[in-house]
Amino acid sequence: GAVVSQHPSRVICKSGTSVKIECRSLDFQATTMFWYRQFPKKSLMLMATSNEGSKATYEQGVEKDKFLINHASLTLSTLTVTSAHPEDSSFYICSARVDSYGYTFGSGTRLTVV
Amino acid sequence: GENVEQHPSTLSVQEGDSAVIKCTYSDSASNYFPWYKQELGKRPQLIIDIRSNVGEKKDQRIAVTLNKTAKHFSLHITETQPEDSAVYFCAANGANDYKLSFGAGTTVTVRA
Repeated sequence: GAVVSQHPSRVICKSGTSVKIECRSLDFQATTMFWYRQFPKKSLMLMATSNEGSKATYEQGVEKDKFLINHASLTLSTLTVTSAHPEDSSFYICSARVDSYGYTFGSGTRLTVV
Repeated sequence: GENVEQHPSTLSVQEGDSAVIKCTYSDSASNYFPWYKQELGKRPQLIIDIRSNVGEKKDQRIAVTLNKTAKHFSLHITETQPEDSAVYFCAANGANDYKLSFGAGTTVTVRA
């Protein structure tokens, strides 16, 4: 089946630094990738939608300059958390649309900002 | 956009009993309703889904029902087992933008 590989699985960074999270589709072309954020014991909140070759669409309240999304190829989408602060600590997870009714999720990235 | 509400937030059942989780959605154009099971720190795992042209779907101990008129859908787990303990999320797609909107989640605990 369709697989999305997400890296890193865990990252600890210092406040003020930037962190890049990658999601690669391994055996299919992911024209659309969704990025979610999940706080402990909470639901998945959609941050943005990225389409290959075009600018990402951000949900209301999500800072586009802070969460940079790049989807330069059909198999790679990246999320960069810029100038990270402790409040950015969260579980970030990507999801690719496989077909009209199918979605596949990456394994998630646990970000801790110290 | 789509708004999905999920109840209850927590559910404790005795092993062998049934568990029912209910969700409502707001966008009448939504046509795909998946249910996910998520264990701590892991990715959501699809356990069953239903499309808008079907009213009910069953897979062994798991079933989902959909009422399009009322815009609600439910997950039914029968003969619960301890390994069913997890957080369950319902979701609904945006028919035009394919975004998945998630419910708030239900923490299910199956007591042995």
